[in-house]
Amino acid sequence: AQSVTQLDSQVPVFEEAPVELRCNYSSSVSVYLFWYVQYPNQGLQLLLKYLSGSTLVESINGFEAEFNKSQTSFHLRKPSVHISDTAEYFCAVRNMNRDDKIIFGKGTRLHILP
Amino acid sequence: ETGVTQSPTHLIKTRGQQVTLRCSSQSGHNTVSWYQQALGQGPQFIFQYYREEENGRGNFPPRFSGLQFPNYSSELNVNALELDDSALYLCASSLDPTGELFFGEGSRLTVL
Repeated sequence: AQSVTQLDSQVPVFEEAPVELRCNYSSSVSVYLFWYVQYPNQGLQLLLKYLSGSTLVESINGFEAEFNKSQTSFHLRKPSVHISDTAEYFCAVRNMNRDDKIIFGKGTRLHILP
Repeated sequence: ETGVTQSPTHLIKTRGQQVTLRCSSQSGHNTVSWYQQALGQGPQFIFQYYREEENGRGNFPPRFSGLQFPNYSSELNVNALELDDSALYLCASSLDPTGELFFGEGSRLTVL
């Protein structure tokens, strides 16, 4: 079975500073990888996903994540954060070759400091 | 195109009671997945329904049950509520069982 580890439960960062939210996964087969964002009092929204092809994927609001197979990681980065990025971010994984469901990490709360 | 809607948004129950949560899937979606998100945790997969049949189940006891209707809306039922059942219950619909998940805003259940 696959699993996801988000190493940081909370990450404080100053506005306009860069940020990296870490995610590692384990699986015995190839996987699809996802980052979801949950704004306060809202449901989860898909931020970006890696299915195949280029290992660097980007979202429309400036986030990017890189799939690193050798390190089994899918860290999320943004070069300059805004106050509107305050949210909880969930990394998720699904096995590629089986009918397994999406498994989520415990989440990382991003605090943007003024 | 309407998104995924869930009801009720908040509810309070006492131990031993039963609860039914409802979810209307996004137009054109035939698959509904339910997740439990306890405070400070990530969503945990409960089960998935595809074309009115259960299509996968997570590590939850049988007192968690569900239904999917011909219009692909869905219900989550929890019997004999326990304090640890207090959580945000999220419904997500998708075009098919492996498709992108579109989440509702959740139903927050408090068990006293």
